Amino acid sequence: QVQLVESGGGLVKPGGSLRLSCAASGFTFSDFYMTWIRQAPGMGLEWVSYISDNGYTIFFADSMKDRFTISRDNAKNSLFLQMKSLRAEDTATYYCARVFRGGRGDFIFDLWGPGALVTVSS
Amino acid sequence: DTQMTQSPLSLSASVGDRVTITCRASQRINSYLNWYQQKPGEAPKLLMYAGSRLQIGVPSRFSGSGYGTDFTLTISSLQPEDFATYFCQQSYSTPHTFGQGTKLELK
Repeated sequence: QVQLVESGGGLVKPGGSLRLSCAASGFTFSDFYMTWIRQAPGMGLEWVSYISDNGYTIFFADSMKDRFTISRDNAKNSLFLQMKSLRAEDTATYYCARVFRGGRGDFIFDLWGPGALVTVSS
Repeated sequence: DTQMTQSPLSLSASVGDRVTITCRASQRINSYLNWYQQKPGEAPKLLMYAGSRLQIGVPSRFSGSGYGTDFTLTISSLQPEDFATYFCQQSYSTPHTFGQGTKLELK
């Protein structure tokens, strides 16, 4: 079954750290770029970061690039998001998604996980 | 950054209606525009990509058009399962920004 499943969410105090994982199955994980997208409660979608298929190319949204790190382990079909110095405004559901690049290097998010809720509160 | 502006932000309609949602980019993005549908408590789902290409499995009552800065998503005849929130997303440049979302509600 083709799917993504996030884990590692939870309650963390402001200034704390958390590591999210995303387990991929049913497709060749190492063939795909991957991305993280977040959604604050009741709000819209915010793109966080992407990582290339081999892990060598990474981009981050400016507001998160100094505090978050993206990585992957192709041998374990896993994607990670390390978050530090967390703030209340980082409270959101974090989705991992597969990137379909098409024939022109596009960034189309064609498969999403159910999401992991991160709550930053004292 | 490229800002994506959707309109309307909310829309009330009835089963069988034809509805159109608009997405405008703050700069030209050619056809690098994708649409997603999100139902309450669920992850978003890809509906359409490259402006007008239907994702596999998506009903043909959904269609998309546009190029450059102005895009539309049209549902030709609303079905009960179509009441959801719709987001556009540009994939022309990083950050890959989303529109605010359009909530489609049953009248």
